[in-house]
Amino acid sequence: QVQLHESGPGLVKPSETLSLTCTVSNGSINNYYWTWIRQFPGKGLEWIGYIYYTGSTNYNPSLKSRLTMSVDTSKNQFSLTLTSVTAADTAIYYCAQRRPRSFDPWGQGTLVIVSS
Amino acid sequence: DIQVTQSPSSMSASVGDKVTITCRASQGIANWLAWYQQKPGKAPKLLIFAASTLQSGVPSRFSGSGSGTDFTLTINNLQPEDFAIYYCQQAHTFPLTFGGGTKLEV
Repeated sequence: QVQLHESGPGLVKPSETLSLTCTVSNGSINNYYWTWIRQFPGKGLEWIGYIYYTGSTNYNPSLKSRLTMSVDTSKNQFSLTLTSVTAADTAIYYCAQRRPRSFDPWGQGTLVIVSS
Repeated sequence: DIQVTQSPSSMSASVGDKVTITCRASQGIANWLAWYQQKPGKAPKLLIFAASTLQSGVPSRFSGSGSGTDFTLTINNLQPEDFAIYYCQQAHTFPLTFGGGTKLEV
């Protein structure tokens, strides 16, 4: 079973850039779609976007102007960069494999707090 | 965006009960719907995809139905480990969206 693990700073200052990496293990990143999802403190879930192993992307329009995703197949990793963060970006960030009709499996999640 | 509305937002039940959670999409999504279970401190876990297909390893007491705009998740013979938050998610149209969740409590 593929496993995913998120990594990155847990605290980011307002107006700065949030960068996270997801490492895929027990399987190859090739030939699959990979996604980021976040969960706000009130428990709501928001799909952020996905990236194909070739590098093609599809972003949530609500974040598109601030968002970049990338993939490094040699490291079996994909990444998220979100610029100009505010307190509203405070959330648990999950990476997951995007299936045709679902997300599975998910990483364990990483909490990112935006605060000065 | 397609809005996905779950009801109820919370409910109480007992071990052995049958419970039903509903999910309504703001426009037709055929059977492009998934259900997830989330326990405290854990990531959501896929239960059902394509509205009614049980994910491998998920107990058969879980079932899903529906098509178009109205969907249900049913849990028969509720077990102690089933008390959790349940989310639905539409996979039909970008941006992909989730329901607000249903908290199932004792």
